Amino acid sequence: GAVVSQHPSRVICKSGTSVKIECRSLDFQATTMFWYRQFPKQSLMLMATSNEGSKATYEQGVEKDKFLINHASLTLSTLTVTSAHPEDSSFYICSARDGMRESKNIQYFGAGTRLSVL
Amino acid sequence: QKEVEQDPGPLSVPEGAIVSLNCTYSNSAFQYFMWYRQYSRKGPELLMYTYSSGNKEDGRFTAQVDKSSKYISLFIRDSQPSDSATYLCAEYSSASKIIFGSGTRLSIRP
Repeated sequence: GAVVSQHPSRVICKSGTSVKIECRSLDFQATTMFWYRQFPKQSLMLMATSNEGSKATYEQGVEKDKFLINHASLTLSTLTVTSAHPEDSSFYICSARDGMRESKNIQYFGAGTRLSVL
Repeated sequence: QKEVEQDPGPLSVPEGAIVSLNCTYSNSAFQYFMWYRQYSRKGPELLMYTYSSGNKEDGRFTAQVDKSSKYISLFIRDSQPSDSATYLCAEYSSASKIIFGSGTRLSIRP
């Protein structure tokens, strides 16, 4: 099956620093990638949709200057949490959609990144 | 009304039992229906997907979709402790976003 690699799996940082999370599709080209946030025992909340070569589309209430998304190639998208604060601590998960496969409307998820801001 | 409703559980059953997980949805435009399994502190893993009414079977898992009732189910036969996880139903809308249910926490007792 399709594999999505997300790195790092765990980040602990001081308040005010920026953190970059990478999401890679390993065996397919991802024309669209998604970034989600998940709080404990809750479902996934879509933050933004990222299309290769264009600006990301952010969901209502998500600060685009706070959560910078770059999708520079068909296999890589990055999420940068700028000037992180304790309230940004959460589980961030990326997913990728393969536009070339028959099941093209299916998203494949990375393993997630647990961010803890001290 | 939420677009997708799912009982959060927790649901606890003995090993070997048949598990039934369910979701209802309100948007008739949904075309694809999926079930994801998520272990604690991991990303969701796609288990099943279907785009038509009826049943789809894969090993011990059966996905059932009833578009007339806007009701989807996932059945797990011969449940194992390793099936203990949170199960998320998901539907794909024409707006190109996956709409997730809140997830049902399942625990299989040895």
